[in-house]
Amino acid sequence: DQQVKQNSPSLSVQEGRISILNCDYTNSMFDYFLWYKKYPAEGPTFLISISSIKDKNEDGRFTVFLNKSAKHLSLHIVPSQPGDSAVYFCAASTNYGGATNKLIFGTGTLLAVQP
Amino acid sequence: EAGVAQSPRYKIIEKRQSVAFWCNPISGHATLYWYQQILGQGPKLLIQFQNNGVVDDSQLPKDRFSAERLKGVDSTLKIQPAKLEDSAVYLCASSLTSGGAYEQYFGPGTRLTVT
Repeated sequence: DQQVKQNSPSLSVQEGRISILNCDYTNSMFDYFLWYKKYPAEGPTFLISISSIKDKNEDGRFTVFLNKSAKHLSLHIVPSQPGDSAVYFCAASTNYGGATNKLIFGTGTLLAVQP
Repeated sequence: EAGVAQSPRYKIIEKRQSVAFWCNPISGHATLYWYQQILGQGPKLLIQFQNNGVVDDSQLPKDRFSAERLKGVDSTLKIQPAKLEDSAVYLCASSLTSGGAYEQYFGPGTRLTVT
């Protein structure tokens, strides 16, 4: 049972254009969402997050949008740079502010930004 | 600030052999996680420690996997005996505490190949 789904295994974008990575979830109890970026042979690194009380969070070139009714979130990268080429994981948690911080990860999307 | 350290980085063993992985979290981080990432999938939580106590080990195959966190700092994850399906990257992560929006910081992982 895949509770967090990233249906696009890969995405190719031209440098300077917008990259949009999508994530869908099935568990309506998820209340906190995160995006992680992973380079080869390295562990995932935190990128940006959003709680379920918001519908948008922005940090520099990165913006995450949350549509709770559709159980969908997306990560926008504008403008895209070659250094953004990596695997992006969407993750969700059911216990924001609680005693545990268990993350459920999607399968990842490989982003390739072409110079 | 030093990141999460893991060793070894790579390990190749034959099925039915034993293997152990070591993790040193970021100094001051009370919560430590072990994840298993199989090729093409997102990380899956195996076990979560809060200081030296287990918070969640619901997805740990306890018949062959064991983990401990001595003195609430370093941790080891052991597999005995290994199976072919245990081939994966084992990621260690830590966070300041287990609740709330505290992001998890990941180590580089140990790539295990079982032949």
